Amino acid sequence: QKEVEQNSGPLSVPEGAIASLNCTYSDRVSQSFFWYRQYSGKSPELIMSIYSNGDKEDGRFTAQLNKASQYVSLLIRDSQPSDSATYLCAVNNPDDKIIFGKGTRLHILP
Amino acid sequence: NAGVTQTPKFQVLKTGQSMTLQCAQDMNHNSMYWYRQDPGMGLRLIYYSASEGTTDKGEVPNGYNVSRLNKREFSLRLESAAPSQTSVYFCASSEFRAATNEKLFFGSGTQLSVL
Repeated sequence: QKEVEQNSGPLSVPEGAIASLNCTYSDRVSQSFFWYRQYSGKSPELIMSIYSNGDKEDGRFTAQLNKASQYVSLLIRDSQPSDSATYLCAVNNPDDKIIFGKGTRLHILP
Repeated sequence: NAGVTQTPKFQVLKTGQSMTLQCAQDMNHNSMYWYRQDPGMGLRLIYYSASEGTTDKGEVPNGYNVSRLNKREFSLRLESAAPSQTSVYFCASSEFRAATNEKLFFGSGTQLSVL
């Protein structure tokens, strides 16, 4: 069974600090990696995607991918209370299935 | 632009009843998906359709059937509902096949309770 693993949290981070979210995946042939944010009672929304080893930055968000270690992470700089949500790591498989982790609950402390 | 529309938003069933969850997208997307979300379990793929006329099983297909009626619509049917199917169901779509890295657009979800 192909798996995507995340720490469920909650992860508590002071406002203005860096939040670091981690994800590991089991299928070495996975090609694309996504971070979705989900507010309570709402639908997930894509915030970052990454396909190549290294870092990808978009505003306060940085996604990091290490395919050799089968590891993907999301850094949120200058954390804001509005960043409090569940963050879902998702991985695509060549058979067109996008598999999600269980999500990490992030709580930004004012 | 409506995006992905799911109906109904809420539904209560008795054990053994059947129902169909409807999903439609107006973005001319090729691929459509059904996920369920349970507390602490993340999103689990039930079925997906890579293109019109094709469907395939996901991680948790048992107890469900799907129909890709046309390019716009992808329905999920529970033939005999069970309490274990109490969940929030999300429909999603993407422009191309997932392997080409397109993002998922989600509907607003259906809260289903089976008593």
